[in-house]
Amino acid sequence: KAGVTQTPRYLIKTRGQQVTLSCSPISGHRSVSWYQQTPGQGLQFLFEYFSETQRNKGNFPGRFSGRQFSNSRSEMNVSTLELGDSALYLCASSLDRDYEQYFGPGTRLTVT
Amino acid sequence: GESVGLHLPTLSVQEGDNSIINCAYSNSASDYFIWYKQESGKGPQFIIDIRSNMDKRQGQRVTVLLNKTVKHLSLQIAATQPGDSAVYFCAENRGLTGGGNKLTFGTGTQLKVEL
Repeated sequence: KAGVTQTPRYLIKTRGQQVTLSCSPISGHRSVSWYQQTPGQGLQFLFEYFSETQRNKGNFPGRFSGRQFSNSRSEMNVSTLELGDSALYLCASSLDRDYEQYFGPGTRLTVT
Repeated sequence: GESVGLHLPTLSVQEGDNSIINCAYSNSASDYFIWYKQESGKGPQFIIDIRSNMDKRQGQRVTVLLNKTVKHLSLQIAATQPGDSAVYFCAENRGLTGGGNKLTFGTGTQLKVEL
């Protein structure tokens, strides 16, 4: 079974721009979660989608948004990029709550 | 506030020895815990999980112990190998009551295996 895939793997953007990251979950998984990982803050939860609905949300500003499609693929968008948004963005998928969450390799975003 | 943390930022062990990585949590309502391993340049890899109705769970060369009384979690790795070198995170699921995933991660322990 194929794992979680994320595209692109690396991205360089300029302050003020916006970016869209994509995540394809493991086949059959309906829950997709997004996390931000930085050296200073560690791994932080952004949001979770289940059956195209946002089910949980972390403490990030409204510039961070996401969505999920009917095939469970998910995208996250960050608008008006700031230098502090430079991070590894990770996507994880699972069947539902309290099932194993499997992570993708992440998208490394650098904001200059 | 509520938190999940790890006791040591770095742990060095000799190849073949057993490793014990500890984690403390503060939310007594937490009911699902997971250990992840993250190698450089990769996403976290699921190792083992445990629910609050269990005290111990074993996998291949790994054992997780849960002590709800003192809100402590540990990961034991038997016969540690060079390939075990990585950062280890404990996480708890704090999704909405009755549903959802929202992992809260500890700060991580860097495990270094010395030959």
